[in-house]
Amino acid sequence: SQTIHQWPATLVQPVGSPLSLECTVEGTSNPNLYWYRQAAGRGLQLLFYSVGIGQISSEVPQNLSASRPQDRQFILSSKKLLLSDSGFYLCAWRKAGVTYEQYFGPGTRLTVT
Amino acid sequence: DAKTTQPPSMDCAEGRAANLPCNHSTISGNEYVYWYRQIHSQGPQYIIHGLKNNETNEMASLIITEDRKSSTLILPHATLRDTAVYYCIVRRGIFNNDMRFGAGTRLTVKP
Repeated sequence: SQTIHQWPATLVQPVGSPLSLECTVEGTSNPNLYWYRQAAGRGLQLLFYSVGIGQISSEVPQNLSASRPQDRQFILSSKKLLLSDSGFYLCAWRKAGVTYEQYFGPGTRLTVT
Repeated sequence: DAKTTQPPSMDCAEGRAANLPCNHSTISGNEYVYWYRQIHSQGPQYIIHGLKNNETNEMASLIITEDRKSSTLILPHATLRDTAVYYCIVRRGIFNNDMRFGAGTRLTVKP
């Protein structure tokens, strides 16, 4: 069966510090991968998605970036965090091709102080 | 992708059916209707999807109007564990690589 991991579960970082969140998927190959952010009391905002190694599509311009160094690894980064980067970050995967369900990880709650 | 409109919140009594509406009046012929839910502090969970016909699975039923401009998600016997935010998403085709979530409906099941 497939599983998706995210770490860390919670993170408190000062403004201006760097960020690296990691997501890995097990039990599948060549998945489509996604990063979402959910601000407090708000809906989910799609940040990035990837259909393959090294292929990243950005949905919103911001100080975040994403990378996919391996088939089942998706990393969200920032060089300098802003207060507005606080939120609940969710990684998700979907099987490429004809498929309907998208599976979400447990999320990382980031607080920028 | 077509835009969806959902009520911000709804209440339902435990054991009763929960009927969650969604308007998608600009839906086009190749767009599917998806429903996900998000329990507090967890990632969203897929519930059901449909194109034209009504659909049912072990979690819920999806009723799509004949003109496809609206749909209703039905939880036949709501439990306290069904308290969550429910998202209705209309998505072009089945090959799209983006899944955009709106504000959803916060369903509260009360004892």
